[in-house]
Amino acid sequence: SQQGEEDPQALSIQEGENATMNCSYKTSINNLQWYRQNSGRGLVHLILIRSNEREKHSGRLRVTLDTSKKSSSLLITASRAADTASYFCATGSYNTDKLIFGTGTRLQVFP
Amino acid sequence: NAGVMQNPRHLVRRRGQEARLRCSPVKGHSHVYWYRQLPEEGLKFMVYLQKENIIDESGMPKERFSAEFPKEGPSILRIQQVVRGDSAAYFCASSLELLTGGTGELFFGEGSRLTVL
Repeated sequence: SQQGEEDPQALSIQEGENATMNCSYKTSINNLQWYRQNSGRGLVHLILIRSNEREKHSGRLRVTLDTSKKSSSLLITASRAADTASYFCATGSYNTDKLIFGTGTRLQVFP
Repeated sequence: NAGVMQNPRHLVRRRGQEARLRCSPVKGHSHVYWYRQLPEEGLKFMVYLQKENIIDESGMPKERFSAEFPKEGPSILRIQQVVRGDSAAYFCASSLELLTGGTGELFFGEGSRLTVL
């Protein structure tokens, strides 16, 4: 079953703008991860945030986690055309040995 | 260091044939996962294996699908008597540590795209 629902499903922006994607989930988690998938390729891990963390940064990426609302957001600042891809959140928990992926946000960055 | 290697990248089968998808995890990784992705959709978990053991197959259809990760050699996802609805991209991923620990990440292969005619 899907754990995460992402919003928006699709997002189109101009280079230089910021892109924000949101992920909501249903059950208790011990971490939430974001992955990127270029068209026709495999997924690549971007960033992991643990359930006891509220915010994390990595380069142009900023992830927030609100466990009370069961939601996370991924912010990509100063976007580039090369950021065009699908972005997925995935959740892990203490009692399940797999990651459950969300439905994804398709980001298009126009030069 | 090679990442997760999947083959074939593309596979075409006629209805009723068998499909075998292979996956070699990152060297040193003992946890292997298979996911399925339909066009424009997210990844659906199928099965989690460790060497010689199926740990969680809750996402795998009960019939026609099987998976193994032998002591030697790659993990295999086998689909017998394929039907058109099996057409999808099948991704293999591996991890170094148990995901229940809260710090593990998945390393994905490039996927095997199965088309059933």
